[in-house]
Amino acid sequence: EDKVVQSPLSLVVHEGDTVTLNCSYEVTNFRSLLWYKQEKKAPTFLFMLTSSGIEKKSGRLSSILDKKELFSILNITATQTGDSAVYLCAVEGGGGADGLTFGKGTHLIIQP
Amino acid sequence: GAGVSQSPSNKVTEKGKDVELRCDPISGHTALYWYRQSLGQGLEFLIYFQGNSAPDKSGLPSDRFSAERTGGSVSTLTIQRTQQEDSAVYLCASSQRGGRTGELFFGEGSRLTVL
Repeated sequence: EDKVVQSPLSLVVHEGDTVTLNCSYEVTNFRSLLWYKQEKKAPTFLFMLTSSGIEKKSGRLSSILDKKELFSILNITATQTGDSAVYLCAVEGGGGADGLTFGKGTHLIIQP
Repeated sequence: GAGVSQSPSNKVTEKGKDVELRCDPISGHTALYWYRQSLGQGLEFLIYFQGNSAPDKSGLPSDRFSAERTGGSVSTLTIQRTQQEDSAVYLCASSQRGGRTGELFFGEGSRLTVL
């Protein structure tokens, strides 16, 4: 059974801080790892990672995958209150049920 | 449409009643997924439709849950004889990649409360 564990489950920081969110996984026939941001209802796509060691970057957000150690990190620099959200990590594997396997998410709160 | 549309956005029902939740995916997306998100939990996979292939129902938690997708577009998730533990947000997502997932586009979800 595919498994995704995110840490921390919740995190409170001050505006301007840098945060690192962690995602470790166990999956049969790994295909990709995805990060989503969920503010209120619909998760919105951030990154899809398929190769180790290649950083994906979008503004203040960046992410990297380590397929040997089976984890990914999501970094957010110079955090803003608008970054407050639940960040979901999901993996896509080739075995078992179709669809992504999601972690429980990291609830990030940015205080002004 | 411009995005994935779900209805109703909120549904309150009594235990034992049947409910239907609707999802209208992005036009042209062949793959459609239903997920369930309980309070403080991650997304739990329920069912996956890909084109005209038989759906992958392996995530459905019990035989009270069923889903269909008519004409390769709109999907309906039906929960019969609802229980309080069915209370959750039911999220629908669609994808244009055939066969596997990649990026999913989510709807706003249907929040179900079973009293």
